[in-house]
Amino acid sequence: DGGITQSPKYLFRKEGQNVTLSCEQNLNHDAMYWYRQDPGQGLRLIYYSQIVNDFQKGDIAEGYSVSREKKESFPLTVTSAQKNPTAFYLCASSMSGGENGYTFGSGTRLTVV
Amino acid sequence: EDQVTQSPEALRLQEGESSSLNCSYTVSGLRGLFWYRQDPGKGPEFLFTLYSAGEEKEKERLKATLTKKESFLHITAPKPEDSATYLCAVQARGNNRKLIWGLGTSLAVNP
Repeated sequence: DGGITQSPKYLFRKEGQNVTLSCEQNLNHDAMYWYRQDPGQGLRLIYYSQIVNDFQKGDIAEGYSVSREKKESFPLTVTSAQKNPTAFYLCASSMSGGENGYTFGSGTRLTVV
Repeated sequence: EDQVTQSPEALRLQEGESSSLNCSYTVSGLRGLFWYRQDPGKGPEFLFTLYSAGEEKEKERLKATLTKKESFLHITAPKPEDSATYLCAVQARGNNRKLIWGLGTSLAVNP
């Protein structure tokens, strides 16, 4: 079955460490997105990519980095520069333009300890 | 400024008690309006896309409608399994095709 897979589901990180969240899709979607979801706040866009080897900053890109070396994969690195990294992270994909909606993964909950 | 406002923030219904959720939007040219359902600890699940005023879409007990200023998600005779947070998002015309998200309505349906 086609879908989008995020791993791990739960992740714990010590302060000062970088950590990478995985996102893989087999939907043949061109575009991929990373969102952050915090209680009481709407989904906030971190980075997005509309084509391989190209990506753009979203609304809250500071302290994060991404790569898009393959169409299927869009990993997100949370760096030590991110001041408040504890959150629920969601990856999504869509056909180019996104007019038919996004398909989301099941999320990764990152906790800094 | 493009904006999406959902109301109410939370809604509690008895099983079988129909109601509606509202999504008001201001955007410089609507490309599409999206409804999603999100269960706790999971990613949003796509429900509907609406493109133009007057359009309606249905899926089981859910029906989404669209006007030039707002969208309604009507829930007919809800069941406890309809309990979830319902999210609305809009996409504006133009080169920037990012979605603008509302904060959601948390729906609880009591048996």
